[in-house]
Amino acid sequence: DGGITQSPKYLFRKEGQNVTLSCEQNLNHDAMYWYRQDPGQGLRLIYYSQIVNDFQKGDIAEGYSVSREKKESFPLTVTSAQKNPTAFYLCASHEQGAPETQYFGPGTRLLVL
Amino acid sequence: DAKTTQPPSMDCAEGRAANLPCNHSTISGNEYVYWYRQIHSQGPQYIIHGLKNNETNEMASLIITEDRKSSTLILPHATLRDTAVYYCIVRPRTKTSYDKVIFGPGTSLSVIP
Repeated sequence: DGGITQSPKYLFRKEGQNVTLSCEQNLNHDAMYWYRQDPGQGLRLIYYSQIVNDFQKGDIAEGYSVSREKKESFPLTVTSAQKNPTAFYLCASHEQGAPETQYFGPGTRLLVL
Repeated sequence: DAKTTQPPSMDCAEGRAANLPCNHSTISGNEYVYWYRQIHSQGPQYIIHGLKNNETNEMASLIITEDRKSSTLILPHATLRDTAVYYCIVRPRTKTSYDKVIFGPGTSLSVIP
């Protein structure tokens, strides 16, 4: 079955620690996105990538980093510089030229210890 | 993008049709109506979209009024798994290769046994 997978489902971070959230898709989509969702809030864009080896900052990129070495993978690192990382993180992708129809992964909930 | 108005919450009996309204009185001629839903602690899920004709897929039907100022998402036989927040979005079919998804508060649908 085609889709987007994110792992882990829950992740705990200690103060000063970097953690990496995985996002993999087998939909052959070029574009991939990372969003953050806080309780009762909408989505905020962290980073996006339109093609392999290229990515752009979204609205709240500070404290985060990404890589896009393979078409199917777009990992997100939450660095120690992100002072309020507790949130629900969502990865999405879409076909080229159809950004309004995005497919989302199941999400990773990050909690700070 | 045109503003949308949705009721904050609705109940529906299991097995009955769920009719979720959305008002978009300022919609422009080139703007489509999109519906997503988000089940608690999961990623958003694209449901359906349309321009002016009624649309149906395996998940739902979308009825758009002739003046396009409002629409209704219909889940023909609601199940408990349809309990979610439903988002109505109105936006042009963008010609750019990238664009973020922006959700309003949506309608929280509760399907009751």
